[in-house]
Amino acid sequence: DIQMTQSPSTLSASVGDRVSITCRASQSISNWLAWYQQKPGKAPKLLIYRASHLEFGVPSRFGGSGSGTEFTLTISSLQPDDFATYYCQQYNTFPWTFGQGAKVEIK
Amino acid sequence: EVQLVESGGGLVQAGGSLRLSCAASGFRFSTYWMTWIRQAPGKGLEWVANIKEDGSEKHYVDSVKGRFTISRDNAKSSVYLQLSSLRVEDTAIYYCATVRGYDFFEDWGQGTLVTVSS
Repeated sequence: DIQMTQSPSTLSASVGDRVSITCRASQSISNWLAWYQQKPGKAPKLLIYRASHLEFGVPSRFGGSGSGTEFTLTISSLQPDDFATYYCQQYNTFPWTFGQGAKVEIK
Repeated sequence: EVQLVESGGGLVQAGGSLRLSCAASGFRFSTYWMTWIRQAPGKGLEWVANIKEDGSEKHYVDSVKGRFTISRDNAKSSVYLQLSSLRVEDTAIYYCATVRGYDFFEDWGQGTLVTVSS
């Protein structure tokens, strides 16, 4: 199975900060990677697919980059609504696997 | 508007069974792969199973193979997950979701909680 490792696991930041979360795959997954946002008690929400394609309706402050084994989710200017947990997911090879999550907290 | 409504969760003893249902509306159900994903309390996400548009192809994570069965009824716009030989470690919120193409998870339901007691 392909292991997905996110870092950091927790990130403390302030409104307006630029934040980045890294996701590393245990083997190359080309650009077959998605990012999701999850708030407490809610289902995850798709943010980005194919590593860098912004899902319709997702604010442009979210961006994704990377290919192969290293990927980054960047929020250019953190907003109050962005405090949540973020997951990456590879869909290159079954079983599809998620990272362990990265929680963005208020500093 | 896409709606996915899961039901069927509850408390069950280890070794028992449950059948989860997911009723879909607001899109052409028969043209989408569908999937189940679970999340243990306070933990991350785990993909469980998916099923092709016509039900002819199914995939499972190793930890549920032989115990869980995914199925669908396109006439009822519903997808199901039969859970058998349940273990304490199967305790989780189970989400159904649409799969865009063959790949990632587009729309999610609100989830249904399965609790397996020892």
